[in-house]
Amino acid sequence: EPEVTQTPSHQVTQMGQEVILRCVPISNHLYFYWYRQILGQKVEFLVSFYNNEISEKSEIFDDQFSVERPDGSNFTLKIRSTKLEDSAMYFCASSEAPRGSQFFGPGTRLTVL
Amino acid sequence: EDKVVQSPLSLVVHEGDTVTLNCSYEVTNFRSLLWYKQEKKAPTFLFMLTSSGIEKKSGRLSSILDKKELFSILNITATQTGDSAVYLCAVGGDTGNQFYFGTGTSLTVIP
Repeated sequence: EPEVTQTPSHQVTQMGQEVILRCVPISNHLYFYWYRQILGQKVEFLVSFYNNEISEKSEIFDDQFSVERPDGSNFTLKIRSTKLEDSAMYFCASSEAPRGSQFFGPGTRLTVL
Repeated sequence: EDKVVQSPLSLVVHEGDTVTLNCSYEVTNFRSLLWYKQEKKAPTFLFMLTSSGIEKKSGRLSSILDKKELFSILNITATQTGDSAVYLCAVGGDTGNQFYFGTGTSLTVIP
């Protein structure tokens, strides 16, 4: 069964460093998303992406965040200068249709020291 | 502000019991409601409910949507220890692709 994959599963970084989280969405899906979940808190929407551009972003997705689809399969989230409060589980999701069922990847746990 | 509220926050039951989880929402121009099961890591998709599909069933799990009263329930019958997880509800409006998540209901099934 096709699934969303994410790498790495765990990333530890120093405050102020740049990190890139990678995702491979399900191959026939056209809509891609990033969410984050701070430990013990609810899942929060960050951004949605379609046709090589951001279609929607939340207040959390400020200038330090960016997304890219560098090739036909990968979808990346870059955090330019990490802060302690960026520590969270970051989930990538994809869907076939807009506002359709979103399938989540296993997540990347980001720890900022 | 759009809002999704789940209840109860947590629930402990014995194997074989039936549980009902609730999700109420206030979302501008409701479009769809998704139920997820989250065990250790990523949420796993369970159901999607829309105006044209207000009742879904899969094995021991079923869900209904009441668009008039703005809530959905997820029913699990004959619970098993493998049902122990956090169950998340997410609601999407008609504008944009964003889904708003509730805080989840933590279900523990005791043997």
